[in-house]
Amino acid sequence: DAEITQSPRHKITETGRQVTLACHQTWNHNNMFWYRQDLGHGLRLIHYSYGVQDTNKGEVSDGYSVSRSNTEDLPLTLESAASSQTSVYFCASRGTATDTQYFGPGTRLTVL
Amino acid sequence: LAKTTQPISMDSYEGQEVNITCSHNNIATNDYITWYQQFPSQGPRFIIQGYKTKVTNEVASLFIPADRKSSTLSLPRVSLSDTAVYYCLATFSGNTPLVFGKGTRLSVIA
Repeated sequence: DAEITQSPRHKITETGRQVTLACHQTWNHNNMFWYRQDLGHGLRLIHYSYGVQDTNKGEVSDGYSVSRSNTEDLPLTLESAASSQTSVYFCASRGTATDTQYFGPGTRLTVL
Repeated sequence: LAKTTQPISMDSYEGQEVNITCSHNNIATNDYITWYQQFPSQGPRFIIQGYKTKVTNEVASLFIPADRKSSTLSLPRVSLSDTAVYYCLATFSGNTPLVFGKGTRLSVIA
């Protein structure tokens, strides 16, 4: 069955380190998204991509970057991790505009 | 994208029908209404989507009146396992990212 996976599921890192969170989907979806979720803020969009070589900034993109070299993967990089980036990160993908959007299981990141 | 407004929280006893209302006064002609459900420590998952009138699936029903300024998600005979956060979204038929609000936290009590 097609699926969307994230790794690692849990990560502890130190302030200033570069961290990359992986997202892999086997739906062959063109559209992929990264969100973060914090108490009191709901889900907030970080970056998204509509296809290979396409990336776009969301509402909370500062301090994050993404790259899309193939259809299946959209890794999220924290260039220099900050304590404010401690959060749960969800990756998602969907086919067409009105298709169901599928979410990964999430990555819980703690920056000390 | 149209902004949606929904209650922050609701409580219900097991076996009752739960109706969660969502307001979307400035919904556009091309917007659909879509609901997602999120359990603790999991990503959101799609429940139901509609444009107008009534849509029903194995999980829920969605009622959208003719003026489309509001909609109601109906969960029949809830159980403890329906305890979750429910998000109402106005999803544009064009290819734009989904924007989630804070949702409605439903607590089902035995």
